[in-house]
Amino acid sequence: GAGVSQSPSNKVTEKGKDVELRCDPISGHTALYWYRQSLGQGLEFLIYFQGNSAPDKSGLPSDRFSAERTGGSVSTLTIQRTQQEDSAVYLCASSSTSRSPQHFGDGTRLSIL
Amino acid sequence: GENVEQHPSTLSVQEGDSAVIKCTYSDSASNYFPWYKQELGKGPQLIIDIRSNVGEKKDQRIAVTLNKTAKHFSLHITETQPEDSAVYFCAARPETIGGTSYGKLTFGQGTILTVHP
Repeated sequence: GAGVSQSPSNKVTEKGKDVELRCDPISGHTALYWYRQSLGQGLEFLIYFQGNSAPDKSGLPSDRFSAERTGGSVSTLTIQRTQQEDSAVYLCASSSTSRSPQHFGDGTRLSIL
Repeated sequence: GENVEQHPSTLSVQEGDSAVIKCTYSDSASNYFPWYKQELGKGPQLIIDIRSNVGEKKDQRIAVTLNKTAKHFSLHITETQPEDSAVYFCAARPETIGGTSYGKLTFGQGTILTVHP
């Protein structure tokens, strides 16, 4: 079956522009996660959605970052007024429940010029 | 919050040798420990996981051991092959906090494994 799908796979933009990154989770998965991976680093948690509960936003690094999940499926991560330090790979994962293994997409590689 | 330390950062072995990667964690409430393999340009792929009610789990050439008292867990790969070359990440999380299911994983910094033919 289809895995987690992320788009675009690569995004290059100028400093100060807004960007939107999309995640299509595995069908039927109720939990969805965003992580950030900087070059040569581990994964840093950003935000977590579970069903209809309020999202856990504790990992968002600043108020320039926001995310939503519409209809319990597709999620969009938005970064406003991008800065060079936002350059990273943004990874999305989903799981059937919050206790189930997380399955990752291949990420969006974001480069800020 | 949870902190996960992973060692070594790089590991080079000859084909057929064993490889061991170790992680320590700080939060005694953590009770789920997955390992991921990440190839270049790809997302992390789950290869094995363990929960705190067991001390060891095996899947063919891969095994994970857990010592809850010492708060460390390890990945063991036997009979390594060149296709095992990748970055490996450990992670940890508690499964509930305050009675609420909790999904966030805390990751180690990764180990670059190179298997030489």
